[in-house]
Amino acid sequence: QSALTQPPSVSGSPGQSVTISCTGTSSDLGSYNRVSWYQQPPGTAPKLLIFEVTYRPSGVPDRFSGSKSGNTASLTISGLQTEDEGDYYCSSYTTSSNWVFGGGTKLTVL
Amino acid sequence: EVQLVQSGAEVKKPGESLKISCKGSGYSFSTYGIGWVRQMPGKGLEWMGMIYPGDSDTIYSPSFQGQVTISVDQSISTAYLQWSGLKASDTAMFYCARRFGDDAFDFWGQGTMVTVSS
Repeated sequence: QSALTQPPSVSGSPGQSVTISCTGTSSDLGSYNRVSWYQQPPGTAPKLLIFEVTYRPSGVPDRFSGSKSGNTASLTISGLQTEDEGDYYCSSYTTSSNWVFGGGTKLTVL
Repeated sequence: EVQLVQSGAEVKKPGESLKISCKGSGYSFSTYGIGWVRQMPGKGLEWMGMIYPGDSDTIYSPSFQGQVTISVDQSISTAYLQWSGLKASDTAMFYCARRFGDDAFDFWGQGTMVTVSS
């Protein structure tokens, strides 16, 4: 099971919006709406941001939103804040009853 | 409050065995699957496998099948990840996480750093 494909890095200025893409295959993203996104600030454990493509857990700001089309999912962060810096990972359930993560995207807030 | 508390950092030699733990509290431990995730130094997250404490049903990523063993002791709400012969390439941070809904992991342990070096 290969990792999902994410851009290595994205950047934006405070207040702007950025979108992180996550591309998979028909064995994962293309088969299910079981996509989640995680934020990992440096030196800390990952934190769930989005589940089932578009849903936010309690406490996650609505600046974070998710979407999916075919084999590609996206995370959009609007109104960028300096505390949004860190690594972001997508994840998908697969047809093998496994999970697969993306390679991660480093977000820099300029 | 839901918590997953992992055992402390380990330093081991190649060939040694190791078992690290993940203790859940603040919820019905038997109801939720526990996954294990590896993060090698400076690298991304890799899903290793999952155990369902209620029936100990376990599934492994093909990449980790046969390399590690995932187990659980429901009586003390603790999941385990173990190796029988560590290699230097096992050096990594290991996280446990609670499965949430159909696809996600909502609570994560703080991580256990395993260093394998001669």
